[in-house]
Amino acid sequence: DAGVTQSPTHLIKTRGQQVTLRCSPKSGHDTVSWYQQALGQGPQFIFQYYEEEERQRGNFPDRFSGHQFPNYSSELNVNALLLGDSALYLCASSWGNRIGGISGYTFGSGTRLTVV
Amino acid sequence: AQTVTQSQPEMSVQEAETVTLSCTYDTSESDYYLFWYKQPPSRQMILVIRQEAYKQQNATENRFSVNFQKAAKSFSLKISDSQLGDAAMYFCAFMTSDMLTFGGGTRLMVKP
Repeated sequence: DAGVTQSPTHLIKTRGQQVTLRCSPKSGHDTVSWYQQALGQGPQFIFQYYEEEERQRGNFPDRFSGHQFPNYSSELNVNALLLGDSALYLCASSWGNRIGGISGYTFGSGTRLTVV
Repeated sequence: AQTVTQSQPEMSVQEAETVTLSCTYDTSESDYYLFWYKQPPSRQMILVIRQEAYKQQNATENRFSVNFQKAAKSFSLKISDSQLGDAAMYFCAFMTSDMLTFGGGTRLMVKP
């Protein structure tokens, strides 16, 4: 049973560019959440997708956008990259129709984004 | 807004000994869940233990147990019989509405 897979594992972008990160949820999961983890810090919630719509959003600017496809996979897009966007981006999948916490998250290994 | 504080940036324990990692949180919610996650160098967040706030009994998972003090908003993790494989970053996290708020983490080192 495949877990959460993220691609790419690493990438380097130039300030001002745009980037797309991808996430395939664990088999049977229908909800995808994205987190940003800056070096030496805990992850911060970006947003969550369920039924192809953004269900919740953290305190991130509109430069951060996402999408969920009918097969439940998801993309995170970041426009006009800043040096401060350098971080590990974690994707987590879960059941969307169950009470939070009971469903539990399964995390991927993340994408390390470096902006130069 | 919820906040989670881990006051110990680094902890060290001798193999086979016991160590306790501290966590406090602040919330106005009455229904929530608390978690401890382990993040090894592989970067994947691995669930260690989970506690439902409405349960008074402290959760245990093999060598891992928690001390949940709801009134004090405290949620510490005890690791017994520490093993070399326990070395990692440990994050305390609070969940409400299916969204996690993490603390800043504690780096646990295990000495052979």
